[in-house]
Amino acid sequence: DAGITQSPRHKVTETGTPVTLRCHQTENHRYMYWYRQDPGHGLRLIHYSYGVKDTDKGEVSDGYSVSRSKTEDFLLTLESATSSQTSVYFCAISEGLAVWEQFFGPGTRLTVL
Amino acid sequence: QKEVEQDPGPLSVPEGAIVSLNCTYSNSAFQYFMWYRQYSRKGPELLMYTYSSGNKEDGRFTAQVDKSSKYISLFIRDSQPSDSATYLCAMSAESDNDMRFGAGTRLTVKP
Repeated sequence: DAGITQSPRHKVTETGTPVTLRCHQTENHRYMYWYRQDPGHGLRLIHYSYGVKDTDKGEVSDGYSVSRSKTEDFLLTLESATSSQTSVYFCAISEGLAVWEQFFGPGTRLTVL
Repeated sequence: QKEVEQDPGPLSVPEGAIVSLNCTYSNSAFQYFMWYRQYSRKGPELLMYTYSSGNKEDGRFTAQVDKSSKYISLFIRDSQPSDSATYLCAMSAESDNDMRFGAGTRLTVKP
């Protein structure tokens, strides 16, 4: 998986609790992305980062925040998890402006009860 | 209406068959067209990408883009059981950092 790890790989949590997912890369790529994957919807972009402390919103950013304090780490936080945020979350990286050539991590399966 | 439509299948074919996977889209600004392959419980991996219209071939795989019809296709020749996966089409505009994905088509190739 192109030097990308995600942690945790599985998590079960309760509605209203905060959750942080971590993406770590060893490729020194500038761009990092967080997606969610749901049946019938494919992958949808939540947030992305184009450098340390530089982030922007994607298609489905409501209820999520991100932070990138180091090139290699990109954190996704659900401030107060809801059942609608039950999903599989993927981190991806890309180099330069080749947004189409993204390398994906193994995913985190999150269940919010 | 979704920007990118893809038949979720599932699609089941015998080994050696030619497979045709398709997506339609509504945003005429899309210029980059990608196909990703995703094995079960894994992240997607880029299979092929095409810029603007035309065909692109890579081994047993051929990608076609018809911008006039807003229609893209992926053909797999001599399909193998190892091709069994979900295939996702994806598209982006020239100035975008946001790829739009289809829902994915699950393909099974039976020995």
